[in-house]
Amino acid sequence: DGGITQSPKYLFRKEGQNVTLSCEQNLNHDAMYWYRQDPGQGLRLIYYSQIVNDFQKGDIAEGYSVSREKKESFPLTVTSAQKNPTAFYLCASSIAGTGNNSPLHFGNGTRLTVT
Amino acid sequence: AQRVTQPEKLLSVFKGAPVELKCNYSYSGSPELFWYVQYSRQRLQLLLRHISRESIKGFTADLNKGETSFHLKKPFAQEEDSAMYYCALSGRTYKYIFGTGTRLKVLA
Repeated sequence: DGGITQSPKYLFRKEGQNVTLSCEQNLNHDAMYWYRQDPGQGLRLIYYSQIVNDFQKGDIAEGYSVSREKKESFPLTVTSAQKNPTAFYLCASSIAGTGNNSPLHFGNGTRLTVT
Repeated sequence: AQRVTQPEKLLSVFKGAPVELKCNYSYSGSPELFWYVQYSRQRLQLLLRHISRESIKGFTADLNKGETSFHLKKPFAQEEDSAMYYCALSGRTYKYIFGTGTRLKVLA
C-alpha cells in the first residue's frame, strides 16, 4: 500500500537536544517537503527537495536541517538553534517535473514537544 | 511576493445552507491552485485543483485571474463537510504556499 510514513507520531525532547524526524515514501515521488503546522498560522514550508542530493530552504528554515541521500527518505533535524521547536510537523511528497504541478501527498505528522 | 490569503479562520453554517470559503492569492505568473482538506483525525488530503475543473463531494472552485481568487463553494452543506480547509498555490519551482486555513463547522 503506497504512502508516506512519518515516525514517531509523538516525540518529546529536552531543550538543547537535537532531534530527527523520519519521513519515508514508497510512491516513487521525486519531490519531498517538510511543513510546520501551528494553530492560526497554517502550514509553513521549512525545506523542500526536488531530487536526490539536492534541497532548498523554505520560508522558515532557520534552526532546521535536512538530507536527501535516498529518493524514499527525507529526514528533518530540529536543532537546538530552533527557538520555538514545539509544533506539529508534516512531511509531503509529489511528482516533480515539467508541466502541471502534481498535488501533495501528506504523512500523518509528528507532534514534537520540547521542554 | 507569493501569498495565499484565507480571510476567515472559522466559518459556521447550518446544514443545507450554501458554503463559500474564500481564497485570494498573489503571484507573478500563472500559478496552479489547490484546495486541501483535513477531516478530524485524518491526514491532510487534496480536495480539488483548478486545472481539473471538476466537482468533488459537491465542492467546486473557479479560478478568477482578474480578482486573483479561488473560492471554494458548495450549494448545500452537509455535517460531514466539517473540517479544516487550506487553499494552496504552486508555481514553476514546485514550492507550494499554503493559506492559514479556514475551519468549517456545519451545524445540524
